[in-house]
Amino acid sequence: GAGVSQSPSNKVTEKGKDVELRCDPISGHTALYWYRQSLGQGLEFLIYFQGNSAPDKSGLPSDRFSAERTGGSVSTLTIQRTQQEDSAVYLCASSLKRTRGADTQYFGPGTRLTVL
Amino acid sequence: GQQLNQSPQSMFIQEGEDVSMNCTSSSIFNTWLWYKQDPGEGPVLLIALYKAGELTSNGRLTAQFGITRKDSFLNISASIPSDVGIYFCAGHLYNFNKFYFGSGTKLNVKP
Repeated sequence: GAGVSQSPSNKVTEKGKDVELRCDPISGHTALYWYRQSLGQGLEFLIYFQGNSAPDKSGLPSDRFSAERTGGSVSTLTIQRTQQEDSAVYLCASSLKRTRGADTQYFGPGTRLTVL
Repeated sequence: GQQLNQSPQSMFIQEGEDVSMNCTSSSIFNTWLWYKQDPGEGPVLLIALYKAGELTSNGRLTAQFGITRKDSFLNISASIPSDVGIYFCAGHLYNFNKFYFGSGTKLNVKP
């Protein structure tokens, strides 16, 4: 079946503009995660959704970042008034369910954001 | 926040050699995971470890969950060119349902 998909694959924007990044999780996966990966770095947790709710938003770097998920499926990460330090690859992952143990996350290919 | 120290940062080895990399943390994790990331792709799960002391193999890969639950290692035996990529460890805290990732080990394999 289809894996996690993300769009766009690449986004170049000017400083100060808003951007929206989209994630389509694997069908039936109730948990969805957003991460940021800067060049040569590990993954930085941003936010996760269980269904449509986000129990943990503590990873969002600033109030310019927001995310929503509708219908328990597609999620959108929005960055307002982008800054150059926002340039990174934004990865989305989904998993079947949130359990007390770690559940296998399946990652999308990421969106590479470049802020000029 | 939590911090995972992953080493080495990069490795250059000859095809056929064995490889070892590890992660340590100041925190106790419930689960350790190892991922591989190819250029332009998202990370792919290689091995998941759920119990302290657990040793798990996946083909030529072997990983162990440290007894203290603060560390893990990944071994790759008889490396081949397609092993090239970046390997990440990740620790999971189920109370917070968060995954903390190491900074990665970049593996280069010379044919």
